[in-house]
Amino acid sequence: GAVVSQHPSWVICKSGTSVKIECRSLDFQATTMFWYRQFPKQSLMLMATSNEGSKATYEQGVEKDKFLINHASLTLSTLTVTSAHPEDSSFYICSAGDGYTFGSGTRLTVV
Amino acid sequence: QKEVEQDPGPLSVPEGAIVSLNCTYSNSAFQYFMWYRQYSRKGPELLMYTYSSGNKEDGRFTAQVDKSSKYISLFIRDSQPSDSATYLCAMSESGAGSYQLTFGKGTKLSVIP
Repeated sequence: GAVVSQHPSWVICKSGTSVKIECRSLDFQATTMFWYRQFPKQSLMLMATSNEGSKATYEQGVEKDKFLINHASLTLSTLTVTSAHPEDSSFYICSAGDGYTFGSGTRLTVV
Repeated sequence: QKEVEQDPGPLSVPEGAIVSLNCTYSNSAFQYFMWYRQYSRKGPELLMYTYSSGNKEDGRFTAQVDKSSKYISLFIRDSQPSDSATYLCAMSESGAGSYQLTFGKGTKLSVIP
């Protein structure tokens, strides 16, 4: 079945720095990938839809200049959290392909 | 009113019990219904996928959808300690590849040996 790989699984960064998270489809090509954010004891919330070769589509309330998405190939999408702040600390998860297969998630802690 | 309501629990049951997990929703356009299992600090894993109303069984898991009541359920028979996880319901208006899933908050289940 489809496998989605996410890296890193856990990252700590200092406030004001940027962090890049990678989402890869390992055995299939994905023209579309999705980025979600999950706060403790909360639902997964869709942040943006990443489209290969074009601009990402962001959900209402998500700052596109803060959460930069690049989908440069059919197997890789990246999410860069720019000028991270403690309130950006969360669990970030991507999905790809059919939209129902998720990566293992990245826990971001901003200190 | 949130689009998808799910009792967060926690729910604790003895090994071998039948577990019933439920979600209600308000958007009548939802047609695809999923149940995910999520272990701590991991991504969600798709357990069951159902289109429209009806039942679907896979091993110890049974998913039920009642669109008239806007109510979905997941039953786990002969529950095992390895079933201890958070269970998320999710739903969408369109099928695979399209995209927006709306999730419940998840129910944390503990199966006690």
